[in-house]
Amino acid sequence: GAGVSQSPSNKVTEKGKDVELRCDPISGHTALYWYRQRLGQGLEFLIYFQGNSAPDKSGLPSDRFSAERTGESVSTLTIQRTQQEDSAVYLCASSSRGGANTGELFFGEGSRLTVL
Amino acid sequence: DAKTTQPPSMDCAEGRAANLPCNHSTISGNEYVYWYRQIHSQGPQYIIHGLKNNETNEMASLIITEDRKSSTLILPHATLRDTAVYYCIVHSTSYGKLTFGQGTILTVHP
Repeated sequence: GAGVSQSPSNKVTEKGKDVELRCDPISGHTALYWYRQRLGQGLEFLIYFQGNSAPDKSGLPSDRFSAERTGESVSTLTIQRTQQEDSAVYLCASSSRGGANTGELFFGEGSRLTVL
Repeated sequence: DAKTTQPPSMDCAEGRAANLPCNHSTISGNEYVYWYRQIHSQGPQYIIHGLKNNETNEMASLIITEDRKSSTLILPHATLRDTAVYYCIVHSTSYGKLTFGQGTILTVHP
């Protein structure tokens, strides 16, 4: 597609349920990022994938959070046993490899998660 | 990534230039300066980046001081649609993750 696509755009769930959020990066982009943004707050880094390298999971807040990426395509962020503090917009971004442009990220519109 | 310091908020009159400062005194030689903005309820948008030379594109200009310890993003003719949070980020191509700080809330008023 032309841009980064995320689904669902909105998700309302009950506390304790599991949720999956999906990200389709721009075709050919080898790097993929997940961020979390709580209401009125800044972007919080969660996880970073680069090609076949081991992902940087240093931002995942707890073991309830996990993410996978199939090759250099789709990524899924899974939150198990959701808590109310997980309510946020989850943003995915992708970038191409190499050179001076690896910091040029293209963001999706985000998935807004509300945990009741 | 090196730490950046930005003012929490700024105002600008519509049609005037908006000059957003950023301090990055601990920047190292292989780190670039990137600027992003986030308009309310949208994902962040890349604006511009540079290493040591001044840069200009259709959105903005980036002025980096000779010692590279600070930079200024210039929106030459601000419009109401430029109201957003502007993030200054220092990032090396050898790093993985890109970290956002708190940014500057720019409000453009009529």
